Amino acid sequence: EVQLVESGGGLVQPGGSLRLSCAASGFTFSDYYMDWVRQAPGKGLEWVGRSRYRAKSYTTEYAASVKGRFTISRDDSKNSLYLQMNSLKTEDTAVYYCGRGLSGTHGAFDFWGQGAMVTVSS
Amino acid sequence: DIQMTQSPSTLSASVGDRVTITCRASQSINSWLAWYQQKPGKAPNLLIYKASSLESGVPSRFSGSGSGTEFTLTISSLQPDDLATYYCQQYTDYPLTFGGGTKVEIK
Repeated sequence: EVQLVESGGGLVQPGGSLRLSCAASGFTFSDYYMDWVRQAPGKGLEWVGRSRYRAKSYTTEYAASVKGRFTISRDDSKNSLYLQMNSLKTEDTAVYYCGRGLSGTHGAFDFWGQGAMVTVSS
Repeated sequence: DIQMTQSPSTLSASVGDRVTITCRASQSINSWLAWYQQKPGKAPNLLIYKASSLESGVPSRFSGSGSGTEFTLTISSLQPDDLATYYCQQYTDYPLTFGGGTKVEIK
């Protein structure tokens, strides 16, 4: 059974940092692109960024709203995806989901985690 | 960036009704479009990919159509379990972008 479990959410002050993790199981993690998507309270879905797999040199893509502040990485040996968030702003407050790329490299997401809440507030 | 516009933003229908949601892209995305269902407090769930391919395990009352810039999600016979918000998403180019969502209410 495919499972994605996010952790590391919490309350942080503006300007602070936080690192989210996404633990994957039930599939060959190294064969898949993995993404982060967020959802502000009461709002729609916003794509955050992507990590490609080893064959694509683990290259990444980011939304303009987080580029330069957020970094996506992965550790295939631990079946884990990470989101390092620096210089956090109040508008980064959201539930953060990790998602698996359909058929490995698709931009559609066939499995999602349950989400991790990040609250940026003083 | 490719803008995705969904309509309506909210719709109310009765059990058994045929329901159609539209998604328009600001430029051609060929068929690189997905539809998701999100129930309150839950993660999104993939319904349709590549505009018209039904994801495994999704009931056959859901269908997708369209290409280029105009797409539709149809629920052939609305069920109480379909109470949710539906999102379209393009994946032809970065940044990947979602529509604003359509909330489906049961009359």
